[in-house]
Amino acid sequence: VQLVESGGGLVQPGRSLRLSCVASGYNFDDYAMHWVRQVPGKGLEWVSGISWNSGTIDYAESVRGRFTISRDNAKNSLYLQMNSLRPEDTALYYCARDIYLDHPWDAFNIWGQGTMVTVSS
Amino acid sequence: QAALSQPPYVSGSPGQSVTISCAGTSSDVGGYNRVSWYQQSPGTAPKFLIYEVNYRPSGVPDRFSGSKSGNTASLTISGLQAEDDADYYCSSYTSKNSVVFGGGTKLTVL
Repeated sequence: VQLVESGGGLVQPGRSLRLSCVASGYNFDDYAMHWVRQVPGKGLEWVSGISWNSGTIDYAESVRGRFTISRDNAKNSLYLQMNSLRPEDTALYYCARDIYLDHPWDAFNIWGQGTMVTVSS
Repeated sequence: QAALSQPPYVSGSPGQSVTISCAGTSSDVGGYNRVSWYQQSPGTAPKFLIYEVNYRPSGVPDRFSGSKSGNTASLTISGLQAEDDADYYCSSYTSKNSVVFGGGTKLTVL
């Protein structure tokens, strides 16, 4: 069972970036998925969650209206489209698997290694 | 959504027990049994320790236990071992259909 994120990098404020997370070793569409971020040296912050069939999607207030979560079950993939990026979005972004397939969000039992996003001019 | 409140630091000697608190509100910790705990060592992803207040996933030693009273959840680690030296985070589902994490607690095994 593995999650592998990609797509991070250095981006200027106001620009966009799309993160991807590929799952392997389990039935991807049996579980809800999430993005969680962490500023190096700081705590964890939940960013967004999506149910198994994309029927339920939630965002943290800090990213609502700028970020869009999506998934492609045929490709075992989770995405995070990040628009209007701000310096405060700089963090290591983890994808994580929920222990259930839908609301209410519960615990995250599988985590990727993270992909770093740096927003700076 | 304000982060759940955890003590920044706790410490204990090998063999001792320590308890880490996680204070929230009736809109998160107090309102739902969707409280989880994670352990994170430097440079690694968080590791899943406890879910739904007091359930341990397979592979997690029974030295780790969780509980909740009112708006405060707790993680107790008994029989401290050197490898328990790490950061610990609590999380909870909230009434705003989101998840909130605690600020994290650095456990030092003396």
